[in-house]
Amino acid sequence: GAVVSQHPSRVICKSGTSVKIECRSLDFQATTMFWYRQFPKQSLMLMATSNEGSKATYEQGVEKDKFLINHASLTLSTLTVTSAHPEDSSFYICSARPGAWRGGYGYTFGSGTRLTVV
Amino acid sequence: GESVGLHLPTLSVQEGDNSIINCAYSNSASDYFIWYKQESGKGPQFIIDIRSNMDKRQGQRVTVLLNKTVKHLSLQIAATQPGDSAVYFCAEPKGLNQGGKLIFGQGTELSVKP
Repeated sequence: GAVVSQHPSRVICKSGTSVKIECRSLDFQATTMFWYRQFPKQSLMLMATSNEGSKATYEQGVEKDKFLINHASLTLSTLTVTSAHPEDSSFYICSARPGAWRGGYGYTFGSGTRLTVV
Repeated sequence: GESVGLHLPTLSVQEGDNSIINCAYSNSASDYFIWYKQESGKGPQFIIDIRSNMDKRQGQRVTVLLNKTVKHLSLQIAATQPGDSAVYFCAEPKGLNQGGKLIFGQGTELSVKP
C-alpha cells in the first residue's frame, strides 16, 4: 500500500528557533499534500493544502508566515515552524493524495511529529 | 463539520462486546464520508467509507450506517478487541476544487477492557 514517511517523529526546540518537518510519499506521486495540527485529546485541524509546484492554501486563522509550507516535488513537502513558541507545541501530521481520485483510501497519513517548544 | 477545541468523548467497552461510535454532520449536501482509526502517537488509518446513495456498508467486523434524514452516521465494530482501542474519526472530503481536503469530525476515544 501507499506509504508516507514523516520526519522527525519527535523534536524539542528552544523558543524562537525554527523547526522543519518533512513529509515524503515513498511509493506514489503526491499531487496534493495536507498538513494538520492536533492538540492532546482533540481532533485534527487542517492547517493548509499544497499542490506540487504551487503556493500552499492556508486555512483561516493559520499564519502563513509562521508555518511555511513547501511542496517542491511530487514526493516531498516540508512544514517549517518559524520562531517557534511554547503554544506551537503540538502533534503535526501530514497527509498525501495522488492526482487520481481514489476516495478515502487515497489519503495516506504520515506517522506524525511531536513538537515541543521549551 | 469541524470541531476544533472540543475534547474527545470516550467510549469504554468490554472485550467481545459490540461498539457503536457516532458522528453528526451539518451539511445536507455532504455526499461522502470516511471513518479513520488513530492509534496513540500515530497518523490516522482508513477503515471504511460510504457514499450518500447508500445507508449501510459493511467491512471486516465493521459496519457504517448513514442516516441522511437526521444527518448522522455511525461506525459499528463487532466483537471489539483490545487492538481496537484507539480514537475514531469521521471525516468528509471537500470538493476537488479545494484539493479534496479532508475535514475531520470530533472523534471518539474507544477503550476496550480485557
